Amino acid sequence: GDSVTQMEGPVTLSEEAFLTINCTYTATGYPSLFWYVQYPGEGLQLLLKATKADDKGSNKGFEATYRKETTSFHLEKGSVQVSDSAVYFCALSETGGDTGNQFYFGTGTSLTVIP
Amino acid sequence: IAGITQAPTSQILAAGRRMTLRCTQDMRHNAMYWYRQDLGLGLRLIHYSNTAGTTGKGEVPDGYSVSRANTDDFPLTLASAVPSQTSVYFCASSETLTGVFGYTFGSGTRLTVV
Repeated sequence: GDSVTQMEGPVTLSEEAFLTINCTYTATGYPSLFWYVQYPGEGLQLLLKATKADDKGSNKGFEATYRKETTSFHLEKGSVQVSDSAVYFCALSETGGDTGNQFYFGTGTSLTVIP
Repeated sequence: IAGITQAPTSQILAAGRRMTLRCTQDMRHNAMYWYRQDLGLGLRLIHYSNTAGTTGKGEVPDGYSVSRANTDDFPLTLASAVPSQTSVYFCASSETLTGVFGYTFGSGTRLTVV
């Protein structure tokens, strides 16, 4: 079945460091891929998405490229800020089946950025 | 502001009691979902509804029930709460069945069963 695997956390970085959070997926069809961010005490918010191979999603300085050949969607940011401290979830969405728009989430990666 | 409203934001509940978590959206999304979030397990789907009048079971449905009488509301009921249902519960919705636009999430209900 479909699944998402993302790197274990927690991740601690100094401000202005480079961030990579790895995400790989398994899917039977042609899924859409997403990164969600959850700030402390809040729900998940869509950070960026890509709907087909080689698409690059970007938002707030974060980027991720849909790589079909490596089934990956790694999240990157060139210079993190303290305000980026949050939990990041990789997810995929497949259509079809009796659940329609079924999402599969990774387990989340906690990021702490220290000044 | 368009979005999802969940209530209550937090609750401490005695084991064996019945509890309904409320979820209302004002975006006219067809599909709605309930997830629970537990440390180390990420988000797990409890129940979903593709459209008003229909519901389905997710990954962890036991001990929970849902109804979808109209487009906007999707309540989650715990008939007889147990401590293992201590969790943070998130309601979500999506515009279409294609998945292209992703999900919109509520801000969650933190439930503690004692």
